[in-house]
Amino acid sequence: SQKIEQNSEALNIQEGKTATLTCNYTNYSPAYLQWYRQDPGRGPVFLLLIRENEKEKRKERLKVTFDTTLKQSLFHITASQPADSATYLCALPPSGGYNKLIFGAGTRLAVHP
Amino acid sequence: SAVISQKPSRDICQRGTSLTIQCQVDSQVTMMFWYRQQPGQSLTLIATANQGSEATYESGFVIDKFPISRPNLTFSTLTVSNMSPEDSSIYLCSVEDPGDEQFFGPGTRLTVL
Repeated sequence: SQKIEQNSEALNIQEGKTATLTCNYTNYSPAYLQWYRQDPGRGPVFLLLIRENEKEKRKERLKVTFDTTLKQSLFHITASQPADSATYLCALPPSGGYNKLIFGAGTRLAVHP
Repeated sequence: SAVISQKPSRDICQRGTSLTIQCQVDSQVTMMFWYRQQPGQSLTLIATANQGSEATYESGFVIDKFPISRPNLTFSTLTVSNMSPEDSSIYLCSVEDPGDEQFFGPGTRLTVL
């Protein structure tokens, strides 16, 4: 069955460092992968989308990589700030299921001053 | 990007009753999605709602329990019927833009006693 795995343990880092979050998936080949941020009590907010023919995408302090051979995406936040503390979710379309998304469980990031 | 509002933002309901959640979008969209996020969990897709046709439900979700209406291109409702404490969750609607990104509403926090 299709599965998306993200580190369930919280990631604690010091302000100014780079945070790296991992998303692994099995048993399918998505056309794209997305990353969302979710704050407590709020809906997810879209951050970045990377397509299967792209290796890397950047947006300000954010960088996403997509390795379709390893079936893995890495999400980096450089020069992290306490305001980056949130849960980060990766999401992919299911096989043959465009226009809808399956979400990973998310990784909670805590950036300490 | 689309702006989405949901009503109510939260509610506390008695077992056996039903609650209808409204989702309003500030632009016309073809597809709207309803998700459930149980406490401490990630998002699970309930159904996809297209205007002018019946909603498409995901495995484990049925129309009798979660009837959905989609009367026009900017509005949808999700009803949680015959509620039990297990239905206590955050319910979120979302829409997809042409770039495959999804935009989420703020969510409706439901507590069933």
